[in-house]
Amino acid sequence: NAGVTQTPKFRVLKTGQSMTLLCAQDMNHEYMYWYRQDPGMGLRLIHYSVGEGTTAKGEVPDGYNVSRLKKQNFLLGLESAAPSQTSVYFCASSPISHRVDTQYFGPGTRLTVL
Amino acid sequence: AQSVSQHNHHVILSEAASLELGCNYSYGGTVNLFWYVQYPGQHLQLLLKYFSGDPLVKGIKGFEAEFIKSKFSFNLRKPSVQWSDTAEYFCAVTVSGGGADGLTFGKGTHLIIQP
Repeated sequence: NAGVTQTPKFRVLKTGQSMTLLCAQDMNHEYMYWYRQDPGMGLRLIHYSVGEGTTAKGEVPDGYNVSRLKKQNFLLGLESAAPSQTSVYFCASSPISHRVDTQYFGPGTRLTVL
Repeated sequence: AQSVSQHNHHVILSEAASLELGCNYSYGGTVNLFWYVQYPGQHLQLLLKYFSGDPLVKGIKGFEAEFIKSKFSFNLRKPSVQWSDTAEYFCAVTVSGGGADGLTFGKGTHLIIQP
């Protein structure tokens, strides 16, 4: 099993450009998450999904959109990138449970917005 | 909403020294607690977790943590650190029995082990 994979690993954007980050997991997990990691801030939840076709906002959702059209994929979109979105983005997944179980993290995408 | 506080942002130790990283959370109900580690250039890996039962939990690589409910704490310990323990350590919490609204992380502790 590859676990959680993220595409791309690195990206540089200009202000106003758009892009989509792809997260894929092969563990048949129901729950998927997108976090951003900034120096001195830890990880903060952007959006999450509890199953195919469902998404919900996390702590810092502004400027991002997500889609979960297939169970194994969770896409994070930036419609108009801003320098404040320069960050490292981590995707995670966890199996369905009556309470949140261990989350498995991907390797991250380092995004720079100029 | 819950929050997590990690007391030390940077810790420098010599090899073989003992380690204790502080973590406190704020939430009035039942929580699940985690410690994750991020080695340089790598993604987050789970060190250990507490859901219920014995408040002293043992994780990988000789790490352990103790949940003290009365102090809202979940401190990470290791009796003798190694150079390879140099990493960023994150404490995290999620609400037990709640929805899948993700983990709430502390800001992290950057640990440097000097040979």
